[in-house]
Amino acid sequence: KNQVEQSPQSLIILEGKNCTLQCNYTVSPFSNLRWYKQDTERGPVSLTIMTFSENTKSNGRYTATLDADTKQSSLHITASQLSDSASYICVVSGFGGATNKLIFGTGTLLAVQP
Amino acid sequence: NAGVTQTPKFRVLKTGQSMTLLCAQDMNHEYMYWYRQDPGMGLRLIHYSVGEGTTAKGEVPDGYNVSRLKKQNFLLGLESAAPSQTSVYFCASTLQQGLQPQHFGDGTRLSIL
Repeated sequence: KNQVEQSPQSLIILEGKNCTLQCNYTVSPFSNLRWYKQDTERGPVSLTIMTFSENTKSNGRYTATLDADTKQSSLHITASQLSDSASYICVVSGFGGATNKLIFGTGTLLAVQP
Repeated sequence: NAGVTQTPKFRVLKTGQSMTLLCAQDMNHEYMYWYRQDPGMGLRLIHYSVGEGTTAKGEVPDGYNVSRLKKQNFLLGLESAAPSQTSVYFCASTLQQGLQPQHFGDGTRLSIL
């Protein structure tokens, strides 16, 4: 069964600290992996999209890694800010990248405290 | 440039009532999607469209209908609302499939009593 699992479910960190969120998937065949940020009562916003051949991609203070062999990805947030408080969703695309075949994780809820 | 706009933002319905959720995008995107987001679950695809005049079923289509009469609009209808359809509904669009990101609206929060 195609699944995307994220850990931890929730995380609290102090402003200025770094953190790493995890994503494990069993989707096959694999096309690409995406990370989205979802603020409270807003829609998800794309952070990164990575293909099989990419193992690192950055977007400002966000750095995603991908290990296609172990089917694991991580999202590292550097020097966290209060505005980073949000849910972070890992999404995996199979079937040649068709966006109607996206499988969404349940998200990691991050709270950054002053 | 508004991106993806959903109306209404909130709605409360009684069981058996009908309603239509509207999604409009101003990015000239071909592909549009309707998802629902429930606590403890990932977003699930209800219906999608690969272009004007086309629609297709997603993962959880039962109880919903859609129409794409104009390229910029994608409508989601509930013919006879049920409490199980209480959810947050998100519309998304993308220029093409593959490595293009989906652009999401800010959701419609729907409660069925």
